[in-house]
Amino acid sequence: DTAVSQTPKYLVTQMGNDKSIKCEQNLGHDTMYWYKQDSKKFLKIMFSYNNKELIINETVPNRFSPKSPDKAHLNLHINSLELGDSAVYFCASSQETGLSGANVLTFGAGSRLTVL
Amino acid sequence: AQKVTQAQTEISVVEKEDVTLDCVYETRDTTYYLFWYKQPPSGELVFLIRRNSFDEQNEISGRYSWNFQKSTSSFNFTITASQVVDSAVYFCALSEARSGVGNNRLAFGKGNQVVVIP
Repeated sequence: DTAVSQTPKYLVTQMGNDKSIKCEQNLGHDTMYWYKQDSKKFLKIMFSYNNKELIINETVPNRFSPKSPDKAHLNLHINSLELGDSAVYFCASSQETGLSGANVLTFGAGSRLTVL
Repeated sequence: AQKVTQAQTEISVVEKEDVTLDCVYETRDTTYYLFWYKQPPSGELVFLIRRNSFDEQNEISGRYSWNFQKSTSSFNFTITASQVVDSAVYFCALSEARSGVGNNRLAFGKGNQVVVIP
């Protein structure tokens, strides 16, 4: 059983299109995240949600809209895709321990988005 | 602001050699957490270790060992007797202690690409 699963694994699309990436975790964790890994492998946080509530929104263009229908799911919708959006997007989840910084993140396998 | 530096971008070693990955961090907080993650060629990110700022004890797990030195703000990682399966990108990361839930801003270094040559 995959703990954090993302779909699709690969996504190739044209500039200007709208696309979504879905994420589900079966670990019973309270917090979910989206991270972006660029072509140089640099990983940066985009969003975090705790029990469907947005906690971190890290200066991401508003073309990116996360949605959490329940605490086990966190989807990422991207409008008007641009070339610079090409990256690997990782979903992650963690169980709250009382101190957010201590939480160990469990990552999904990543979704590689290519914008042509 | 928190910052993690992994200076060596790519390291090649011959199988069975040891390899040490350097990680230097910056933070103004006294309470923080350090992590290492492995990203094999298949692409997923695998958690290896977490250390809190008050625990400077070194740790060994099989062929992996970590050396945490607060005096030099470093959290180095050594793979002993490397194997081909160790070929991966290794990320050091830091998060500062924050109250409230969901407030974990894990800051990653740029990663060390380790290539183990058979």
